[in-house]
Amino acid sequence: DAGVTQSPTHLIKTRGQQVTLRCSPKSGHDTVSWYQQALGQGPQFIFQYYEEEERQRGNFPDRFSGHQFPNYSSELNVNALLLGDSALYLCASSLGQGGIEQYFGPGTRLTVT
Amino acid sequence: AQSVAQPEDQVNVAEGNPLTVKCTYSVSGNPYLFWYVQYPNRGLQFLLKYITGDNLVKGSYGFEAEFNKSQTSFHLKKPSALVSDSALYFCAVRDMRGNTGKLIFGQGTTLQVKP
Repeated sequence: DAGVTQSPTHLIKTRGQQVTLRCSPKSGHDTVSWYQQALGQGPQFIFQYYEEEERQRGNFPDRFSGHQFPNYSSELNVNALLLGDSALYLCASSLGQGGIEQYFGPGTRLTVT
Repeated sequence: AQSVAQPEDQVNVAEGNPLTVKCTYSVSGNPYLFWYVQYPNRGLQFLLKYITGDNLVKGSYGFEAEFNKSQTSFHLKKPSALVSDSALYFCAVRDMRGNTGKLIFGQGTTLQVKP
């Protein structure tokens, strides 16, 4: 049973650049949520995608955008990168928009220099 | 505002001793509560959840948690700690304002189990 997968594992970008992170949900799941975990902090909710639409958004600027594909995989895009965007980005999948159990991927470590 | 607090940045216990990692929450209505564990350079692994029913919830790897509504707490416990339990532990509550399963996490507690 394939769990949640994310790519790439690590990424180094320069301020002002754009980045795309990818997530494939656990087999059978149709909903993807993205979280940002800054160093020494708990994960913060960015947004959730269900039926290819953004369903809820956390307190993140419009530089953060996403997409969900028909196969339920998802992308997180961040434009005009800031140093403060350096973090571990976690993808979580669940069954249904209000699915109780969320399964997390290993994360993508983004470093902005 | 809905929130989760983990009052201890770090908990140190000796192997074989019982451990407790504390969590308190603030949420309107009946809470959905979760514990996750994170090992270095890894994602979050689900340990257990409380939705309704028995206040003592049993989870993975011998962990359990006690829901206390009057104290708005959901402390994580284990009767006998293992060195391999050393990791970062997060308590989370579901945001009940939307129907998306959004989780609100605490700051995390580092558990150090010494041989």
